[in-house]
Amino acid sequence: QQQVKQSPQSLIVQKGGISIINCAYENTAFDYFPWYQQFPGKGPALLIAIRPDVSEKKEGRFTISFNKSAKQFSLHIMDSQPGDSATYFCAARELTGGFKTIFGAGTRLFVKA
Amino acid sequence: NAGVTQTPKFQVLKTGQSMTLQCAQDMNHNSMYWYRQDPGMGLRLIYYSASEGTTDKGEVPNGYNVSRLNKREFSLRLESAAPSQTSVYFCASDHRGFHGYTFGSGTRLTVV
Repeated sequence: QQQVKQSPQSLIVQKGGISIINCAYENTAFDYFPWYQQFPGKGPALLIAIRPDVSEKKEGRFTISFNKSAKQFSLHIMDSQPGDSATYFCAARELTGGFKTIFGAGTRLFVKA
Repeated sequence: NAGVTQTPKFQVLKTGQSMTLQCAQDMNHNSMYWYRQDPGMGLRLIYYSASEGTTDKGEVPNGYNVSRLNKREFSLRLESAAPSQTSVYFCASDHRGFHGYTFGSGTRLTVV
């Protein structure tokens, strides 16, 4: 079963626009929520992460919004740039039982110049 | 550069052949993981090692075995490759806690 559901599958945004990717989870044992960015031919790289005791975290143009009661979280990329074109994965990590991370299916973002 | 090193980068196998994917990290991380990446399915956990000397199954362990050789190295073995194992395989490592993974650059495996 898919424990972390991510949408949309793909996203096209104009340069300077806002990119929004959404994720939802079911397991309340998750308590660390990272986002990873992956360029073609490379491994994923940690982009930004949040813990559920915080509702928002911002790092530069990247912001995570977290809604614990709804079990949803989202990534917002402000002033999107062509260099942001990549695949983005949301994830959720169990901090017990081996610290496994469960990934969403990924969103392919294309930013048009 | 410090990080996670995977070998080989590319491999083509015939159905029924065996092979071992190698992974080594030089960051003194406790935990190591093997994922496979398939289009539209994200990254799925095959096996993980929470600490040296321990290994556990993930979401999709069938057809694979692992060995945590020491703190640095974690290998993934396909005993009898099947076309369904065609995928990109990623090794990752981390300290426990709120730090996120460091991934290797992946092994692209094709089974014909």
